[in-house]
Parts: sequence; structure tokens; C-alpha cells
Amino acid sequence: SQQGEEDPQALSIQEGENATMNCSYKTSINNLQWYRQNSGRGLVHLILIRSNEREKHSGRLRVTLDTSKKSSSLLITASRAADTASYFCATTMKTSYDKVIFGPGTSLSVIP
Amino acid sequence: EAGVAQSPRYKIIEKRQSVAFWCNPISGHATLYWYQQILGQGPKLLIQFQNNGVVDDSQLPKDRFSAERLKGVDSTLKIQPAKLEDSAVYLCASSRRIRTAGVDTQYFGPGTRLTVL
Repeated sequence: SQQGEEDPQALSIQEGENATMNCSYKTSINNLQWYRQNSGRGLVHLILIRSNEREKHSGRLRVTLDTSKKSSSLLITASRAADTASYFCATTMKTSYDKVIFGPGTSLSVIP
Repeated sequence: EAGVAQSPRYKIIEKRQSVAFWCNPISGHATLYWYQQILGQGPKLLIQFQNNGVVDDSQLPKDRFSAERLKGVDSTLKIQPAKLEDSAVYLCASSRRIRTAGVDTQYFGPGTRLTVL
């Protein structure tokens, strides 16, 4: 099975609400990243959190990492319709060449 | 800086035909990745190059897929012969490989959507 698993698979919220997505993984990591993918387009890097960090902010994004539970969460505050997209966590495993594995993603719909 | 370029953007072929995809990474990026993304799933790494050497091709179906990266810059991914289950988006990504910082942010191209009929 994949290294990263996102939860929930799909999320629908009203504009202005907060959206929280979770990612769990199985083996030790160097870092964890979150990417966004709009329909029919490539992935865009959102934020990276290193294994020795617990929380990181970028604009309306807040990422937490709990290495003891092997889990991460992505919080999008004050969501906008433009946030509608699929969100993927990607874990960089501790290998000689930094192997990156993507989870199956969370599909977020923000209703205007 | 210019992003990762891929071509073609769309391709429709019959099963058992051959197809090739091209990728031009961001200038100066040493690492290049090819991913397969089936609808509704996350990207699956097919092959990872460090300069022009392969560091991971464990999930590449080598009986039908091949990839090369000549001179450590552009790369091509080929499928021969294609099967119905190869229908997917093929994403190319590159990264700078700043190992001292322990980070490896990947920059993705727009992808090639392949439909095998």
C-alpha cells in the first residue's frame, strides 16, 4: 500500500469555512510536502515541513506534523472557491536518493 | 524562470500502438521524475533520474515502458505497445536537489493526458 494516505477522500464546504485534511504515513521520513492539483493540470507545491518541525504556516495554510503518530494535517482557513482542487501529501523517505511517495489525495470542493 | 515543459498535452492512440512523451525540466535541475497518474489517484513514480543516471525505476513496467535522459537535460518516456490500462496523465517533474538543506521540492509540468482505445 502507499506510504501516505489522505483523509477524507472528499470534502465539501462553504466558502469562508475552514478545511482540514489529514495524511498518515508508515515509515520514517525526512520531510512531508503538500501539493495542490487543479482539474486537468499539474501539481503545485504548497508547503514543506521537515521531520524536526511541528508546525508551519504559509498565508492561509497551516501544516502540522506529528512524527510520533506518523501523521500530518493541512488546514486551509477562510476557504475560497478558488481553493477547489485535489490536495496530495508527499512523503520523502529516508533513502539515499530521497524517494518521494504521494498519497491518493483529498478532493476539496468549496461552494460559493 | 521557465517551468517544466511537456509535450504533447493530449494523445489518443489505439492499443498496441506506440507513443512517446517529451519533457524539458527547469534549467539547472539535476533530478527529473516521470509519474503516472490514473484518474482519481495520486501520482505514481515511474522513474527518477539524477542527472542522466537512473536512481529508481522499480515501478516502471520495463516490458513496455522505457525512458531516457540524454545529456542530463531533456527526457523522453516511451510506451510500446500501449495497453488500455495505460490511459492516464503522465507528469514530468524536476527538482534542484539541495541535499544540504534536506529539501527536494518538485516542480511539475502540465502533464500529457493519454487515452488508449
